[in-house]
Amino acid sequence: ETGVTQSPTHLIKTRGQQVTLRCSSQSGHNTVSWYQQALGQGPQFIFQYYREEENGRGNFPPRFSGLQFPNYSSELNVNALELDDSALYLCASSVAAEKTQYFGPGTRLLVL
Amino acid sequence: GNSVTQMEGPVTLSEEAFLTINCTYTATGYPSLFWYVQYPGEGLQLLLKATKADDKGSNKGFEATYRKETTSFHLEKGSVQVSDSAVYFCALSDKPTGNQFYFGTGTSLTVIP
Repeated sequence: ETGVTQSPTHLIKTRGQQVTLRCSSQSGHNTVSWYQQALGQGPQFIFQYYREEENGRGNFPPRFSGLQFPNYSSELNVNALELDDSALYLCASSVAAEKTQYFGPGTRLLVL
Repeated sequence: GNSVTQMEGPVTLSEEAFLTINCTYTATGYPSLFWYVQYPGEGLQLLLKATKADDKGSNKGFEATYRKETTSFHLEKGSVQVSDSAVYFCALSDKPTGNQFYFGTGTSLTVIP
Protein backbone atom coordinates (compact mmCIF):
# COMPACT_ATOMS: atom_id res chain seq x y z
CA GLU A 1 0.00 0.00 0.00
CA THR A 2 1.46 3.34 -1.09
CA GLY A 3 1.39 6.14 1.44
CA VAL A 4 0.86 9.84 0.86
CA THR A 5 3.48 11.36 -1.42
CA GLN A 6 4.27 15.01 -2.08
CA SER A 7 6.35 16.88 -4.63
CA PRO A 8 8.65 18.66 -4.75
CA THR A 9 10.46 18.10 -1.45
CA HIS A 10 12.01 21.55 -1.40
CA LEU A 11 11.32 24.76 -3.29
CA ILE A 12 12.78 28.25 -3.33
CA LYS A 13 10.75 31.15 -4.72
CA THR A 14 10.91 34.92 -4.62
CA ARG A 15 8.28 37.27 -3.26
CA GLY A 16 5.40 37.84 -5.69
CA GLN A 17 5.85 34.57 -7.55
CA GLN A 18 3.34 31.74 -7.75
CA VAL A 19 3.87 28.13 -6.65
CA THR A 20 2.10 24.79 -7.14
CA LEU A 21 2.57 21.90 -4.73
CA ARG A 22 1.36 18.38 -5.44
CA CYS A 23 0.05 15.52 -3.37
CA SER A 24 -0.93 11.94 -4.13
CA SER A 25 -3.30 10.47 -1.58
CA GLN A 26 -2.98 7.07 0.01
CA SER A 27 -4.69 4.25 -1.87
CA GLY A 28 -8.41 4.09 -1.06
CA HIS A 29 -8.56 7.61 0.37
CA ASN A 30 -10.83 10.19 -1.27
CA THR A 31 -10.22 13.18 0.99
CA VAL A 32 -7.16 15.43 0.97
CA SER A 33 -6.34 18.15 3.47
CA TRP A 34 -3.56 20.73 3.30
CA TYR A 35 -1.74 22.25 6.24
CA GLN A 36 0.90 24.93 6.68
CA GLN A 37 3.50 24.36 9.38
CA ALA A 38 5.65 27.33 10.23
CA LEU A 39 8.97 26.70 11.94
CA GLY A 40 8.45 25.66 15.56
CA GLN A 41 4.65 25.61 15.26
CA GLY A 42 1.92 23.07 14.86
CA PRO A 43 0.26 22.56 11.47
CA GLN A 44 -2.49 25.02 10.55
CA PHE A 45 -5.42 23.84 8.42
CA ILE A 46 -5.60 25.48 4.98
CA PHE A 47 -8.44 23.57 3.30
CA GLN A 48 -9.81 20.14 2.52
CA TYR A 49 -11.03 18.54 -0.70
CA TYR A 50 -13.55 15.74 -0.87
CA ARG A 51 -14.60 14.27 -4.21
CA GLU A 52 -13.09 17.22 -6.09
CA GLU A 53 -14.96 19.87 -4.08
CA GLU A 54 -13.63 22.15 -1.37
CA ASN A 55 -14.98 20.83 1.92
CA GLY A 56 -13.83 23.31 4.53
CA ARG A 57 -11.30 26.12 4.72
CA GLY A 58 -9.18 27.61 7.47
CA ASN A 59 -8.16 31.24 7.95
CA PHE A 60 -6.08 31.60 4.81
CA PRO A 61 -6.55 34.28 2.12
CA PRO A 62 -7.97 33.49 -1.34
CA ARG A 63 -4.49 33.51 -2.87
CA PHE A 64 -4.26 30.00 -1.40
CA SER A 65 -6.28 27.78 -3.71
CA GLY A 66 -6.47 24.13 -4.54
CA LEU A 67 -7.72 21.38 -6.78
CA GLN A 68 -8.52 17.73 -6.43
CA PHE A 69 -8.47 15.44 -9.45
CA PRO A 70 -10.61 12.38 -10.26
CA ASN A 71 -7.82 10.09 -9.01
CA TYR A 72 -8.00 12.04 -5.68
CA SER A 73 -4.57 13.59 -6.07
CA SER A 74 -4.45 17.27 -5.23
CA GLU A 75 -2.66 20.54 -5.83
CA LEU A 76 -2.10 23.54 -3.61
CA ASN A 77 -1.53 26.82 -5.42
CA VAL A 78 -0.26 29.96 -3.76
CA ASN A 79 -0.23 33.24 -5.68
CA ALA A 80 1.63 36.46 -4.89
CA LEU A 81 4.00 34.75 -2.49
CA GLU A 82 4.95 36.59 0.69
CA LEU A 83 7.92 36.05 2.96
CA ASP A 84 5.60 34.65 5.67
CA ASP A 85 4.53 31.88 3.31
CA SER A 86 7.86 30.20 4.01
CA ALA A 87 6.89 26.97 5.77
CA LEU A 88 6.51 23.23 5.51
CA TYR A 89 3.34 22.38 3.58
CA LEU A 90 1.78 19.10 4.58
CA CYS A 91 -0.79 17.08 2.73
CA ALA A 92 -2.91 14.51 4.53
CA SER A 93 -5.37 11.98 3.13
CA SER A 94 -8.24 10.15 4.75
CA VAL A 95 -11.36 8.19 4.04
CA ALA A 96 -14.10 10.79 4.37
CA ALA A 97 -16.11 8.96 6.99
CA GLU A 98 -13.05 7.97 9.00
CA LYS A 99 -11.29 10.60 11.03
CA THR A 100 -7.66 9.53 10.94
CA GLN A 101 -5.51 11.60 8.59
CA TYR A 102 -2.29 10.21 7.19
CA PHE A 103 0.37 12.73 6.35
CA GLY A 104 2.91 12.99 3.60
CA PRO A 105 6.52 14.07 4.16
CA GLY A 106 5.78 17.67 3.21
CA THR A 107 7.16 20.28 0.85
CA ARG A 108 9.45 22.86 2.37
CA LEU A 109 8.94 26.24 0.72
CA LEU A 110 11.32 29.14 1.16
CA VAL A 111 10.28 32.57 -0.09
CA LEU A 112 13.10 35.09 -0.51
CA GLY B 1 -14.13 27.04 19.33
CA ASN B 2 -11.70 24.19 19.05
CA SER B 3 -8.15 24.33 20.36
CA VAL B 4 -5.38 22.18 21.78
CA THR B 5 -2.89 23.20 24.44
CA GLN B 6 0.30 21.22 25.00
CA MET B 7 2.94 21.51 27.66
CA GLU B 8 5.81 23.59 26.45
CA GLY B 9 9.16 22.05 25.76
CA PRO B 10 11.77 21.25 25.15
CA VAL B 11 11.81 18.15 27.32
CA THR B 12 15.10 16.36 27.97
CA LEU B 13 15.11 12.93 29.61
CA SER B 14 17.61 10.21 30.27
CA GLU B 15 17.10 6.86 28.60
CA GLU B 16 14.62 4.63 30.48
CA ALA B 17 13.00 7.60 32.23
CA PHE B 18 9.22 8.00 32.44
CA LEU B 19 7.63 10.42 29.99
CA THR B 20 4.50 12.51 30.35
CA ILE B 21 3.49 15.18 27.85
CA ASN B 22 0.37 17.05 28.89
CA CYS B 23 -2.39 17.91 26.43
CA THR B 24 -5.71 19.59 27.11
CA TYR B 25 -8.38 20.58 24.64
CA THR B 26 -11.52 22.59 24.08
CA ALA B 27 -14.08 21.43 21.55
CA THR B 28 -17.57 22.29 20.44
CA GLY B 29 -18.70 18.69 20.00
CA TYR B 30 -17.36 15.24 20.80
CA PRO B 31 -13.88 15.17 19.33
CA SER B 32 -11.54 12.40 18.41
CA LEU B 33 -8.07 12.86 19.86
CA PHE B 34 -4.71 12.02 18.37
CA TRP B 35 -1.00 12.06 19.02
CA TYR B 36 1.31 12.51 16.06
CA VAL B 37 5.11 12.34 16.06
CA GLN B 38 7.45 14.24 13.78
CA TYR B 39 11.06 13.17 13.36
CA PRO B 40 13.59 15.73 12.10
CA GLY B 41 13.02 16.65 8.49
CA GLU B 42 9.96 14.45 8.12
CA GLY B 43 6.18 14.72 8.02
CA LEU B 44 3.80 13.67 10.79
CA GLN B 45 3.25 10.04 11.71
CA LEU B 46 0.17 8.89 13.59
CA LEU B 47 1.24 7.54 16.97
CA LEU B 48 -2.11 6.74 18.59
CA LYS B 49 -5.72 7.84 18.76
CA ALA B 50 -8.90 7.66 20.83
CA THR B 51 -12.36 8.35 19.50
CA LYS B 52 -14.51 8.53 22.62
CA ALA B 53 -14.34 9.25 26.33
CA ASP B 54 -12.38 6.74 28.46
CA ASP B 55 -10.79 5.15 25.38
CA LYS B 56 -7.09 4.42 25.70
CA GLY B 57 -4.91 4.65 22.63
CA SER B 58 -1.60 2.82 22.65
CA ASN B 59 1.28 2.13 20.29
CA LYS B 60 5.02 1.39 20.59
CA GLY B 61 4.87 1.62 24.39
CA PHE B 62 3.13 5.02 24.31
CA GLU B 63 -0.37 5.43 25.67
CA ALA B 64 -2.94 8.15 26.27
CA THR B 65 -6.41 8.08 27.80
CA TYR B 66 -9.28 10.29 26.61
CA ARG B 67 -10.49 12.06 29.77
CA LYS B 68 -13.65 14.02 29.08
CA GLU B 69 -14.04 15.22 32.67
CA THR B 70 -10.66 16.94 32.58
CA THR B 71 -10.63 17.53 28.78
CA SER B 72 -7.20 15.94 28.63
CA PHE B 73 -5.27 13.42 26.55
CA HIS B 74 -1.85 13.18 28.17
CA LEU B 75 0.84 11.10 26.46
CA GLU B 76 2.84 8.67 28.60
CA LYS B 77 5.60 6.13 28.15
CA GLY B 78 7.15 4.11 30.91
CA SER B 79 10.70 3.91 29.58
CA VAL B 80 11.90 6.19 26.80
CA GLN B 81 14.63 5.36 24.32
CA VAL B 82 17.02 7.56 22.37
CA SER B 83 15.02 6.73 19.23
CA ASP B 84 11.96 8.43 20.78
CA SER B 85 13.61 11.83 20.33
CA ALA B 86 11.19 13.81 18.16
CA VAL B 87 8.48 16.46 18.30
CA TYR B 88 5.10 15.26 19.56
CA PHE B 89 1.83 16.91 18.52
CA CYS B 90 -1.54 16.52 20.17
CA ALA B 91 -4.50 17.05 17.84
CA LEU B 92 -8.27 16.88 17.76
CA SER B 93 -10.86 16.33 15.09
CA ASP B 94 -14.36 17.54 15.82
CA LYS B 95 -17.33 16.27 13.81
CA PRO B 96 -19.12 19.66 13.50
CA THR B 97 -16.05 20.97 11.67
CA GLY B 98 -15.67 17.92 9.47
CA ASN B 99 -12.26 16.41 9.14
CA GLN B 100 -10.33 19.55 10.04
CA PHE B 101 -7.61 18.79 12.55
CA TYR B 102 -6.55 21.24 15.25
CA PHE B 103 -2.98 20.83 16.44
CA GLY B 104 -1.09 21.92 19.48
CA THR B 105 2.22 23.71 19.07
CA GLY B 106 4.24 20.56 19.63
CA THR B 107 6.57 19.36 22.38
CA SER B 108 10.17 18.58 21.53
CA LEU B 109 11.60 15.55 23.32
CA THR B 110 15.29 14.71 23.50
CA VAL B 111 16.37 11.46 25.13
CA ILE B 112 20.01 11.24 26.13
CA PRO B 113 21.87 7.95 26.66
